[in-house]
Amino acid sequence: DIQMTQSPASLSAAVGDRVTITCRASQGISNYLAWYQQKPGKVPKLLIYGAYTLQSGVPSRFSGSGSGTDFTLTISSLQPEDVATYYCQKYTSAPLGLTFGGGTKVEI
Amino acid sequence: QLQLQESGPGLVKPSETLSLTCTVSGGSISTSSYYWAWIRQPPGKGLEWIGSIFNSGRTHYSPSLKSRVSISVDTSKNQFSLKLNSVTAADTAVYYCARPNDRHTAMAPFDYWGQGALVIVTS
Repeated sequence: DIQMTQSPASLSAAVGDRVTITCRASQGISNYLAWYQQKPGKVPKLLIYGAYTLQSGVPSRFSGSGSGTDFTLTISSLQPEDVATYYCQKYTSAPLGLTFGGGTKVEI
Repeated sequence: QLQLQESGPGLVKPSETLSLTCTVSGGSISTSSYYWAWIRQPPGKGLEWIGSIFNSGRTHYSPSLKSRVSISVDTSKNQFSLKLNSVTAADTAVYYCARPNDRHTAMAPFDYWGQGALVIVTS
């Protein structure tokens, strides 16, 4: 099984700050990596897939990078509406499985 | 606009079987060539993929739940269902149905989600 480890588990930043969240895979997953945003009490929302492709409608302050085992989600200028928990997810076919990271809670 | 809606009992007794159904509207399970998935989230915890099914009935399950899970599809009702047997308190969670953003593969991120159904395992 490939494990997905996110860091930090939580962070607090000011409005306008640049925020970076890291996701590490225990084995290489090429770019089969997605990021989700889940606001309190809400359904997860797909932000990025293919490690860096922005889902339609997602603000451009969100960006993703990385390949292989190390990935980052960056919010270039944190906004109040970005308060949420962010999850990474790998979706490789070999080994088959859709595994989520443990989440990073972002607060202001 | 595609919509997914979970339904089923909100309370299940330990050792019994959890059963949920996802009704799809705004799209056809039988003709859309997508897999359809179940994902769960225990209160205050992270997300866990349970399994996925294609309109043919082909399934993929999480290795950690495979021995207790069954997912089925009813294309005539545009629904797919989850059964999880021998439940314990650890199976208490919000259960989501979802659809991935890529046809013909279960291994893709999810861009459509249901609102979620809270299932509590309690005697």
